[in-house]
Amino acid sequence: NAGVTQTPKFQVLKTGQSMTLQCAQDMNHEYMSWYRQDPGMGLRLIHYSVGAGITDQGEVPNGYNVSRSTTEDFPLRLLSAAPSQTSVYFCASSPPLPDTQYFGPGTRLTVL
Amino acid sequence: AQSVTQPDIHITVSEGASLELRCNYSYGATPYLFWYVQSPGQGLQLLLKYFSGDTLVQGIKGFEAEFKRSQSSFNLRKPSVHWSDAAEYFCAVGGGATNKLIFGTGTLLAVQP
Repeated sequence: NAGVTQTPKFQVLKTGQSMTLQCAQDMNHEYMSWYRQDPGMGLRLIHYSVGAGITDQGEVPNGYNVSRSTTEDFPLRLLSAAPSQTSVYFCASSPPLPDTQYFGPGTRLTVL
Repeated sequence: AQSVTQPDIHITVSEGASLELRCNYSYGATPYLFWYVQSPGQGLQLLLKYFSGDTLVQGIKGFEAEFKRSQSSFNLRKPSVHWSDAAEYFCAVGGGATNKLIFGTGTLLAVQP
């Protein structure tokens, strides 16, 4: 099992550009989520999904879109990147909460 | 409001010394509690979790945590710290009726030789 994979590992964008952060899991988990990690702020939930076709907002959803067309994949889209979105992004998956979440290695995004 | 507080931003201990990392939570329902560890440049790994039953929970790498409902705490302990324990530690709380985990801001542990 590869677990949770994220691509890319690093990305630099200019303000206003769009991009998609990829996340995939091979554990057949129903629950997937996206967090951002900023110094001194811990992990904050952006969006989550409880199954294919079902998504919902987390704590900091503005500026981000998600969709879940398959159990395996949960991409995060930035439609128009802003410097405030400079952060490290983590994807996680789990059986239905509450249960252990398995985290990917993260994507470090810089928006200039 | 639901929240998790880790009052210690940064802790330094000597190798071989004991460790206690504090975690306090505010949660309206029965809490499910977690401790995760993050090594530099890595994702988060589960150390231990508490759902119900024995309030003293054993985890990986020799860590344990004790759930104290009266104090709304879930402190992480280790009797003898190793240099490889240097990392950032996150406490998190969730519940049965929600699909969200709430994380604390983390405690960065440094280990002196």
